[in-house]
Amino acid sequence: QSVLTQPPSVSGAPGQRVTMSCTGSSSNIGAGYDVQWYQQLPGTAPKLLIYGNTNRPSGVPDRFSGSKSGTSASLAITGLQDEDEAAYYCQSYDSSLSGWVFGGGTKLTVL
Amino acid sequence: QVQLQESGPGLVKPSQTLSLTCTVSGGSISSDNYYWTWIRQHPGKGLEWIAYIYYTGRTYYNPSLNSRLTISVDTSKNQFSLNLGSLTAADTAVYFCARVHDSPYSARFDPWGQGTLVTVSS
Repeated sequence: QSVLTQPPSVSGAPGQRVTMSCTGSSSNIGAGYDVQWYQQLPGTAPKLLIYGNTNRPSGVPDRFSGSKSGTSASLAITGLQDEDEAAYYCQSYDSSLSGWVFGGGTKLTVL
Repeated sequence: QVQLQESGPGLVKPSQTLSLTCTVSGGSISSDNYYWTWIRQHPGKGLEWIAYIYYTGRTYYNPSLNSRLTISVDTSKNQFSLNLGSLTAADTAVYFCARVHDSPYSARFDPWGQGTLVTVSS
């Protein structure tokens, strides 16, 4: 049972927009701690996609965007492409655990 | 460009201790700006943060694993290491090392090593 809750799967057709959520609590996202998002392609290590809730590292396309409100965060992907098919994980800090926590991951399927 | 590479045994027996090393190349592990961390992923599952270390040797462990964990750093070799004791099948996972940016409250992990699969089995 992950501290941050993500839907197990989402899907969309090429070119469409998809969003996925990350729900936390008052000891993590709701406490104001930053949310990061990672993309994990099959058989590879996770890659940083979004940091500080809304910031993209250099090299990450602007099709990817993050937002945060209250105890939740969201990742949006526009202009969906086949290569976006991957698992996406959110991550934050939790003051109750005094450590970093992840969501269980959302598997994105491009139809 | 900083790269990280995990190394260690792929197969360990139950009750034994796992020892993994992460070698950092393309940058110094002694940078003031970064922490260094271990993260694992059980087969087909999500990610679990294990521990982090600063180059001075300051550490912090996941409370759920604390009693079995030791993490250390060797600045002369630009490496940091993980020891996890009293292994069970539940410790079977891919173990990643990663660099940590920013303070613990806004930390992000980038880059990651490629990961190493550790299987606990007799």
